[in-house]
Amino acid sequence: QKEVEQNSGPLSVPEGAIASLNCTYSDRGSQSFFWYRQYSGKSPELIMFIYSNGDKEDGRFTAQLNKASQYVSLLIRDSQPSDSATYLCAVTPGGFKTIFGAGTRLFVKA
Amino acid sequence: EAQVTQNPRYLITVTGKKLTVTCSQNMNHEYMSWYRQDPGLGLRQIYYSMNVEVTDKGDVPEGYKVSRKEKRNFPLILESPSPNQTSLYFCASSLEPYNEQFFGPGTRLTVL
Repeated sequence: QKEVEQNSGPLSVPEGAIASLNCTYSDRGSQSFFWYRQYSGKSPELIMFIYSNGDKEDGRFTAQLNKASQYVSLLIRDSQPSDSATYLCAVTPGGFKTIFGAGTRLFVKA
Repeated sequence: EAQVTQNPRYLITVTGKKLTVTCSQNMNHEYMSWYRQDPGLGLRQIYYSMNVEVTDKGDVPEGYKVSRKEKRNFPLILESPSPNQTSLYFCASSLEPYNEQFFGPGTRLTVL
């Protein structure tokens, strides 16, 4: 079992819809959870981070963390074509390592 | 401008020819990491450093070396590159290991 798992996609949603991206992790001691966005040929950039159970909202983005289920998700409301990218889930499983999922490709159709 | 820089951005080399990829950050960050990115595998951590002279292995350290002699620099060394090290490499830094990481622009390495 991979330590951080994401559906590779592609996930295709129409413009204006809600995109839901999911991530599961295996280490129950994981402390920090991140969502990065990566455009083709570019570096990853942070979208959201979350440390505690529950929801965290920032503009059109909401991160949700459920440590009991070892699950973290990212919701993108009012999706725009500019949101089309690969979304990477990252987890710090204790110690000082960072584990990334393989990423989910999102396409937002105009 | 706060940034992480990497050099070179593109490199084609041959098996066995030692190479170094440099990484530098100007944000006074304690934590620095090297990742490789391969299709379908996402980002995999090669090495990380907590501070000057403190480094440790990530998930895929075989065939790589690092050093951290200055806080701002964290070079990645391939002593004897092999074709399976052909990849896209990213350097990243953060204030602490549990904080947001800032990524460099990437180095695309091809080993023939």
